[in-house]
Amino acid sequence: NAGVTQTPKFQVLKTGQSMTLQCAQDMNHEYMSWYRQDPGMGLRLIHYSVGAGITDQGEVPNGYNVSRSTTEDFPLRLLSAAPSQTSVYFCASARDRLNTEAFFGQGTRLTVV
Amino acid sequence: GESVGLHLPTLSVQEGDNSIINCAYSNSASDYFIWYKQESGKGPQFIIDIRSNMDKRQGQRVTVLLNKTVKHLSLQIAATQPGDSAVYFCAENKGSGYSTLTFGKGTMLLVSP
Repeated sequence: NAGVTQTPKFQVLKTGQSMTLQCAQDMNHEYMSWYRQDPGMGLRLIHYSVGAGITDQGEVPNGYNVSRSTTEDFPLRLLSAAPSQTSVYFCASARDRLNTEAFFGQGTRLTVV
Repeated sequence: GESVGLHLPTLSVQEGDNSIINCAYSNSASDYFIWYKQESGKGPQFIIDIRSNMDKRQGQRVTVLLNKTVKHLSLQIAATQPGDSAVYFCAENKGSGYSTLTFGKGTMLLVSP
C-alpha cells in the first residue's frame, strides 16, 4: 500500500552538480508527472508521461530530463543544477488524463548552493 | 514552517465552524476541477472533484460548488476540525491534454481549537 514513493526526501547540491530524483508507484497507473512547488507559485508541471516509453514537456521543463522505461518508475534528472532549481519537487501518478484522484509523493526538498 | 505557506491568503476559523475556501479560475473552456489539501511536509492529497456539467458535488463533510458564469469554484468544509488545517489548492483542466491541469496558488486554512 505504498502509493507513490519519492527518494531522497532532502538533498543539497552544489551549482553544476547533477542528480536524479527517484519516483516509483505501485498502482499500475499509466500517467505520471513531476511538479515543482515554489512559495506563492502553486504547483508547476515540469514533465509528464502517459505511459512507458512516452514523455512530454510541461510548463517548466528547462534544465530537467525524464525517462519512462517501466510503468512503475519515472526518474527526474537535473543535468547541471542551478540555484533557480531550489524547490520542493513532487511526483504524482494518476489513472487518466484528467489527473482524476492523482496520488502525490511526499516530496523532495532540493537546495542548490 | 513550510515555505509553501508564505504569502498565501489565510482563512482562520474556530473548530466546529463551517469553512468556505474560494478559487477563481481562468479559462471558461475548463471542463474539470479538483480540490487538493496539502498538510505541512506532505504532498497534495485529493479531496473532491467536479466536472463542468455539474454545479455542486458533495463528499464527506465537503461540498464543491461551481459557478461557470463568474468562473468561480468554492470548497465548503462542514464542522471544521483542527486536522483540516492545511493549504488548499484548486486545479483546473484547461483542455483535453494531460499537461493542461493548472494549479492555483493555494489558501491556508487555520483551525483553532
